[in-house]
Amino acid sequence: LAKTTQPISMDSYEGQEVNITCSHNNIATNDYITWYQQFPSQGPRFIIQGYKTKVTNEVASLFIPADRKSSTLSLPRVSLSDTAVYYCLVGDPAGGSYIPTFGRGTSLIVHP
Amino acid sequence: DADVTQTPRNRITKTGKRIMLECSQTKGHDRMYWYRQDPGLGLRLIYYSFDVKDINKGEISDGYSVSRQAQAKFSLSLESAIPNQTALYFCATSVGSGDSYNEQFFGPGTRLTVL
Repeated sequence: LAKTTQPISMDSYEGQEVNITCSHNNIATNDYITWYQQFPSQGPRFIIQGYKTKVTNEVASLFIPADRKSSTLSLPRVSLSDTAVYYCLVGDPAGGSYIPTFGRGTSLIVHP
Repeated sequence: DADVTQTPRNRITKTGKRIMLECSQTKGHDRMYWYRQDPGLGLRLIYYSFDVKDINKGEISDGYSVSRQAQAKFSLSLESAIPNQTALYFCATSVGSGDSYNEQFFGPGTRLTVL
């Protein structure tokens, strides 16, 4: 599985846009990039997944450059409720041996 | 009703005791997983099962065992609990191979304290 590297923590303020970058230099051809969000004392929940270029949903946007060696999760106009840990996962979800592997994630704290 | 349930939600036990954590799902998913979470360490995979007859060790399986009683049930056992197994334990499910998202769905967690 491709190894991922992301910042341990980030701070932001309400109303700002937050960008969290994940490095995955060894991403394979069939791998997708998936992000999960985890609130304190809750299990992670899926927020977005992409393969290349840009993906947007009601929660976030995911930007993936052409070489796919990194990706950026963008949270527009964050609020206090976006304080959470964000995990970047890389793998082939349709593959028979896909095992989701979570690292330490990025702890985002949104300040008033 | 929750799709993935875990029992108990909280448990305090003593060193050396045998403990079983249970997970049930109504999502009809083939794949089930057990993770533990320690402060600042993210989620680490203990065991996973791709179907009823398939059990695999994860990153940190020592001191743990599992049982996949049915498609919907996956139990985690600590044969002889020790204090460093104090952690938050999560069960998760996913559809399986062939699904383009293979999104994982997590239970509410079990907070285990070993004294």
